[in-house]
Amino acid sequence: DAGITQSPRHKVTETGTPVTLRCHQTENHRYMYWYRQDPGHGLRLIHYSYGVKDTDKGEVSDGYSVSRSKTEDFLLTLESATSSQTSVYFCAIGGGAGTEAFFGQGTRLTVV
Amino acid sequence: KQEVTQIPAALSVPEGENLVLNCSFTDSAIYNLQWFRQDPGKGLTSLLLIQSSQREQTSGRLNASLDKSSGRSTLYIAASQPGDSATYLCAVLGGGSRLTFGEGTQLTVNP
Repeated sequence: DAGITQSPRHKVTETGTPVTLRCHQTENHRYMYWYRQDPGHGLRLIHYSYGVKDTDKGEVSDGYSVSRSKTEDFLLTLESATSSQTSVYFCAIGGGAGTEAFFGQGTRLTVV
Repeated sequence: KQEVTQIPAALSVPEGENLVLNCSFTDSAIYNLQWFRQDPGKGLTSLLLIQSSQREQTSGRLNASLDKSSGRSTLYIAASQPGDSATYLCAVLGGGSRLTFGEGTQLTVNP
C-alpha cells in the first residue's frame, strides 16, 4: 500500500460539534484530496491541496474546511457537524499530471 | 464541469466470461485516466493508469483503452473469476489537477 494513513477510522459524533479528520502521507506527494462517498452519489471532491498552504474547493465544500501546514498532513474539519455529513471520507494523494492517485482506507463518520 | 459516466451500473456474469466496462467523460482536456477497484467496506485500489497520450495499458488479465477525442475509456477483463467481484471506478485527472470519478460499475462474477 502507498504510505497514506487516515485517522480515525471510525467516529460517532453529535450534531453541532466540530470534527477533524487527519490524512498523513509518507510519499512526499504534492497533491492531496478529500472525498466523501455516499450511495447514489459516488465519490465527490470536498477540497484538495496542491502544496503546503495551497488549497482549493471541490464540488461539495460547504460546511468543511481544510488545512495543510506541512507536506505530510492534510486535515479536514467539519466546523459544526450535521446529519447530512454522515458519510465515508477518503483521502487520496497524487503527484499531479502523469502520476497515479492512491487512496487511504477511509473514515466512517456518523453524526447523530 | 467534468462529468464522468460509467455504464452499466451493475453487471453479473458467469465465471470465465470476458467482459467490458465503459467509462465516458465530457471534457477531453485530461492529463490521465485511472481505473480503480473497490471491495465492500474498503478503500480504492489502483488498477491501471493511462496517460492522455496513450491508447491503452495492460496489467495481467486487465486491459484499459483510452480514446481521448471521443471521451471514452473501456476496461476489458479477460477470463473473469469470482475474485474479480467488486465495484470498478474510473477517474479522470483534469484541469486544476482535479480528480473526477464516475459512480462505478458493480461487478458480480458467479462461480
